[in-house]
Amino acid sequence: AQSVTQPDIHITVSEGASLELRCNYSYGATPYLFWYVQSPGQGLQLLLKYFSGDTLVQGIKGFEAEFKRSQSSFNLRKPSVHWSDAAEYFCAVGGDTGGFKTIFGAGTRLFVKA
Amino acid sequence: NAGVTQTPKFQVLKTGQSMTLQCAQDMNHEYMSWYRQDPGMGLRLIHYSVGAGITDQGEVPNGYNVSRSTTEDFPLRLLSAAPSQTSVYFCASRSGNGELFFGEGSRLTVL
Repeated sequence: AQSVTQPDIHITVSEGASLELRCNYSYGATPYLFWYVQSPGQGLQLLLKYFSGDTLVQGIKGFEAEFKRSQSSFNLRKPSVHWSDAAEYFCAVGGDTGGFKTIFGAGTRLFVKA
Repeated sequence: NAGVTQTPKFQVLKTGQSMTLQCAQDMNHEYMSWYRQDPGMGLRLIHYSVGAGITDQGEVPNGYNVSRSTTEDFPLRLLSAAPSQTSVYFCASRSGNGELFFGEGSRLTVL
């Protein structure tokens, strides 16, 4: 069965510092992996996605993520965090066809301190 | 371009009442789904549909019904609301490359 684990409920980083949010998944086939961001009171926006090929994927707002099959991980990174990055981040695993549900992790809330 | 439209945005119900959350998409996506979002639990899949006439259960289907008579619409029905169904509900449709497009959410309170 599909599952996603985000071990960190919340993380606090200083503005300008680097960021890494962890995500581990369980999936019976080659996964489609996603990171979504939700700002307070808002809907969810796609940051980036991995389907195949290069294991380092670039997304919007300067985010990137690396797929590591051996570790079943898809960690999100950003070299320098901005105050506007404060939000909740969700990792998800799914597919592109009807047979593959999209399942989300519990989320990591990012706090940015000045 | 409307994308995914959910109504209502806010609703207060009494225990035992019924209601339907409406969801419509104009992107011709085959896959649609409903999630509920609760603090500390992320988004949990309630039901999903892979096309008109086809629905299936997700992670937390109890207490909810769905139907899919057209590609565009995917309503979520609460037949007898319970306080445990107090949540924020999101409808989403999925494109051919797997990306989900979300509605703005519906905040439901059951007293």
